[in-house]
Amino acid sequence: TQLLEQSPQFLSIQEGENLTVYCNSSSVFSSLQWYRQEPGEGPVLLVTVVTGGEVKKLKRLTFQFGDARKDSSLHITAAQPGDTGLYLCADTALNAGGTSYGKLTFGQGTILTVHP
Amino acid sequence: EAQVTQNPRYLITVTGKKLTVTCSQNMNHEYMSWYRQDPGLGLRQIYYSMNVEVTDKGDVPEGYKVSRKEKRNFPLILESPSPNQTSLYFCASSMTGANQPQHFGDGTRLSIL
Repeated sequence: TQLLEQSPQFLSIQEGENLTVYCNSSSVFSSLQWYRQEPGEGPVLLVTVVTGGEVKKLKRLTFQFGDARKDSSLHITAAQPGDTGLYLCADTALNAGGTSYGKLTFGQGTILTVHP
Repeated sequence: EAQVTQNPRYLITVTGKKLTVTCSQNMNHEYMSWYRQDPGLGLRQIYYSMNVEVTDKGDVPEGYKVSRKEKRNFPLILESPSPNQTSLYFCASSMTGANQPQHFGDGTRLSIL
């Protein structure tokens, strides 16, 4: 079973600071997704990365995928209180028959709090 | 509006009393799945369904059942709930599989006394 380890588990910063959260896998990623979840709601997809070395930007968020496809990072520039939430990485896996992507494994998440 | 709808949003019940959490999506998605979320553990997949009448176990299926008789609905059944199934549950759907963007419902908080 694949294990996804996220760090840090908690992050509390002031508005305007930069931060990076990490996601490391016990095996090579298949198709890594990053989600953000706010209290009382379900996770919302931020980005999907597939190719080793890939970098994707979403406004102040930069997502990197390691060359070996076993690690990924999310960097936020000039954090704002609206960035507060739980950040989750997730990877897919083929089902037992090897015919389709059915399984989805999540890391335990990073709880980010940005203070005004 | 495209959405995944779960009911109920909150439920307090007692050990052994069968319950069903419904999940419905209006996006004609083939893939649906159920997760439970516990503090410090992230989301753990319970069951998933690639299409109608096709279901498979996730990482934590013990104590749960599912069915997929129609494309839009994917109910989660707890035949004999126990306190260790107290958790926050999420249903999600996507076009064709887990490698596609997942659309999540707003969650169902279950408390089993």
